[in-house]
Amino acid sequence: GQSLEQPSEVTAVEGAIVQINCTYQTSGFYGLSWYQQHDGGAPTFLSYNALDGLEETGRFSSFLSRSDSYGYLLLQELQMKDSASYFCAVRDLGGKLIFGQGTELSVKP
Amino acid sequence: GAVVSQHPSRVICKSGTSVKIECRSLDFQATTMFWYRQFPKKSLMLMATSNEGSKATYEQGVEKDKFLINHASLTLSTLTVTSAHPEDSSFYICSAPSSGLSYEQYFGPGTRLTVT
Repeated sequence: GQSLEQPSEVTAVEGAIVQINCTYQTSGFYGLSWYQQHDGGAPTFLSYNALDGLEETGRFSSFLSRSDSYGYLLLQELQMKDSASYFCAVRDLGGKLIFGQGTELSVKP
Repeated sequence: GAVVSQHPSRVICKSGTSVKIECRSLDFQATTMFWYRQFPKKSLMLMATSNEGSKATYEQGVEKDKFLINHASLTLSTLTVTSAHPEDSSFYICSAPSSGLSYEQYFGPGTRLTVT
């Protein structure tokens, strides 16, 4: 089976940096993805790590350690519009995504 | 970027009726599409993998006779909720892997189903 754990909610202030952790247990692993979902909207792709290390895309970075079955999403210079749910997801060989429970990020002024 | 559409965006139906939800890839071909179900403030639960030209692959615990999936073309997959009941009320979302970078999936805007 597969399971992913991430915090249920995180609160931070505008301009701050926040890290959302994700640990996983999977029978097959072909990468860790991160998706953002605003209330009532579609998930949108943020980042993907297949190999260990840090991937940076603008204000968002994602890290993976396969030996620790652990990854994180780092959001810098937080803006109010970053308030959303963030999901980590493990991809298997067939391309299926198995999602974590999601972390609700609230950005306060 | 690639676009995936869903129709309808919202539907209300009576118990016992069937509802069809369409998922289309608008500017790319998708031999595989995925169907998810999401409850409020919850994660996306993968229901099934829709395969163009062949039978869908259902996840454990998902009733294939209740959630009929058809992938008739490279740009269209449909999910039919048969004999709907109030417990089927949920947010249904489809996705398709991007053609160039297969690790990225594009999600449709979702369909809010309410069964009364």
